[in-house]
Amino acid sequence: DGGITQSPKYLFRKEGQNVTLSCEQNLNHDAMYWYRQDPGQGLRLIYYSQIVNDFQKGDIAEGYSVSREKKESFPLTVTSAQKNPTAFYLCASANSRGDRSPETQYFGPGTRLLVL
Amino acid sequence: SQQGEEDPQALSIQEGENATMNCSYKTSINNLQWYRQNSGRGLVHLILIRSNEREKHSGRLRVTLDTSKKSSSLLITASRAADTASYFCATYYGGSQGNLIFGKGTKLSVKP
Repeated sequence: DGGITQSPKYLFRKEGQNVTLSCEQNLNHDAMYWYRQDPGQGLRLIYYSQIVNDFQKGDIAEGYSVSREKKESFPLTVTSAQKNPTAFYLCASANSRGDRSPETQYFGPGTRLLVL
Repeated sequence: SQQGEEDPQALSIQEGENATMNCSYKTSINNLQWYRQNSGRGLVHLILIRSNEREKHSGRLRVTLDTSKKSSSLLITASRAADTASYFCATYYGGSQGNLIFGKGTKLSVKP
């Protein structure tokens, strides 16, 4: 059964704590993305990776970090530097074909992060 | 910002009616996509229309693209209560980054 999984579904963060959100895909996609969604603001790109061991900052990367050690996995760490982390976080993946950049994205179910 | 903008922000209709949502964007695009999001869930890709296409159909969905006006519309015909969701347009500008730019969405409510 192919797809993208995110865990956990809900995550609670204490002040000063780093937390890591998991994103795994078995679609054999090269590209993976992390988005943040706040009410009424649509999706904003945090980080993306088009190939293993390489990633780029998106529009709102401050206070976040990522790694891409395996093709299937793209974890996102919300660091203590992110002062307003409460949001819905969505991971996506897309297929790259040669030099063609990825187009259609496939999304995971999301992780809701709440601050205690 | 290159972000697309959907209009209206919210739409409430009765089951069986048609729903039309619009999206406007600012610069030339490679393609435009529509996604659907049920409350608290991930997004699901609905349809992609390329810059050299004017209209596309998929089941009860009809998408049009007017590159001269930099706008697109999504029509859902014979709506059902299960169509209740938020709908987002996303524009792809091409290039090496390959990133989609999402609008803020239209929240559609279909009443039985």
